[in-house]
This record gives sequence, C-alpha cells and structure tokens, in this order.
Amino acid sequence: DQQVKQNSPSLSVQEGRISILNCDYTNSMFDYFLWYKKYPAEGPTFLISISSIKDKNEDGRFTVFLNKSAKHLSLHIVPSQPGDSAVYFCAATAYNTDKLIFGTGTRLQVFP
Amino acid sequence: DTEVTQTPKHLVMGMTNKKSLKCEQHMGHRAMYWYKQKAKKPPELMFVYSYEKLSINESVPSRFSPECPNSSLLNLHLHALQPEDSALYLCASSQETGATDTQYFGPGTRLTVL
Repeated sequence: DQQVKQNSPSLSVQEGRISILNCDYTNSMFDYFLWYKKYPAEGPTFLISISSIKDKNEDGRFTVFLNKSAKHLSLHIVPSQPGDSAVYFCAATAYNTDKLIFGTGTRLQVFP
Repeated sequence: DTEVTQTPKHLVMGMTNKKSLKCEQHMGHRAMYWYKQKAKKPPELMFVYSYEKLSINESVPSRFSPECPNSSLLNLHLHALQPEDSALYLCASSQETGATDTQYFGPGTRLTVL
C-alpha cells in the first residue's frame, strides 16, 4: 500500500516557466513533508520541507504548498532552469518516528 | 562537508558470495540509515542506527546484516543473496534520529546478484 503517491511519473516544462510537482498521501498521522531531488548516479538531495502547522514554505525559486484537508502537497519551481532536470521525490513522516516514506518520484525535464 | 561516501559504486556477486557495502560520513551525525531502491520505485528503509545501536530493522531478511563499528562508519554485509535483491543500496545520515532531521544520502551502490 503506497502511502505517498506521485501520480505523474514525468513532467516536461520550458525553461523560465513554472514547474508544479504534485504529491498525495493517505496517512493522516504524517505531519512533516520533504522534497528530495535526485540526479542520475547520485543520491537524493534534500530540497525543502514543510511542517503540518504551515501551509506554505518558500526557499528561493522553490515553494512547497500543503493542503492538509486534501492530503496533498505540491512543489513549485519558478522559474524553471535546465539544471532542475532531475527526479523529484516527495517524502512524508511523523514527528515521533524515524521512518521516512518516499513517493515514487516524478522525472522533471526542463527544456530550453 | 555534507558528503556521505559509499563503496563500491557497483558490485556484481553470485548467490553464494559474501560481500560488504561500506558507508562513511564525517559530519558528526549520530543516525545512519540503509535504504534499498529498485528500478522505478521509491527508496525503502531497511535499517536505522542511532548512536551506533540498531534502532529499526524493517523486517529485512537475515541475509542482509548491518554493522555500525563506529559513529562514522556503516556496513551492510551480504550473504546468500537472491537475484531479486539486485537494487541500488543507499546510505544516509542525519544529525539525530527523527525523520524530520534532514537526511544526507550517499550516491549508492548498485548491486547485481547473478
């Protein structure tokens, strides 16, 4: 049973435009969410996180939005750059656990 | 330095072999993790070490044996693996345990079991 889902396996966006990556979760106990980026032949790299007490967190070109009632979060990248091309994983956890649950990933391609 | 190193990068082994994967970090992190990632799947947690003690074993078969000799080093000993164990094995570390603490990942060891 996949508790964290990324329903779009791939996304293609033109350079300079907005990239929106989506993530849904089923476990209402999750209260902390993260996005990781992964380039080929490298491990996942932490990008941005959000606690369930917030509905938005921003870091430069990256913004994560959380809709707790819909159990949905999204990552916005504005403006998108070719170097953003990678696989993006959404992950979720609860404060009282050591376990991070990853989504299946979305491959983002930013073309010129 | 936020680097987690893993060796080897690639490993091919037979079902009767014994091999080990190594992970190292020098960030002073007290939590270390092993994940397994199959193709087109998300990373799945296998083990968590906290202050050099095993704190989580996600019902991993005994043919995988983790070891944490010191706070900087994490090993995964492999014995009598099956072809379905072929995957990318990722190591990660974080300052403390608690999954809200940022985990830093190594590049992984790509394992092929023949």
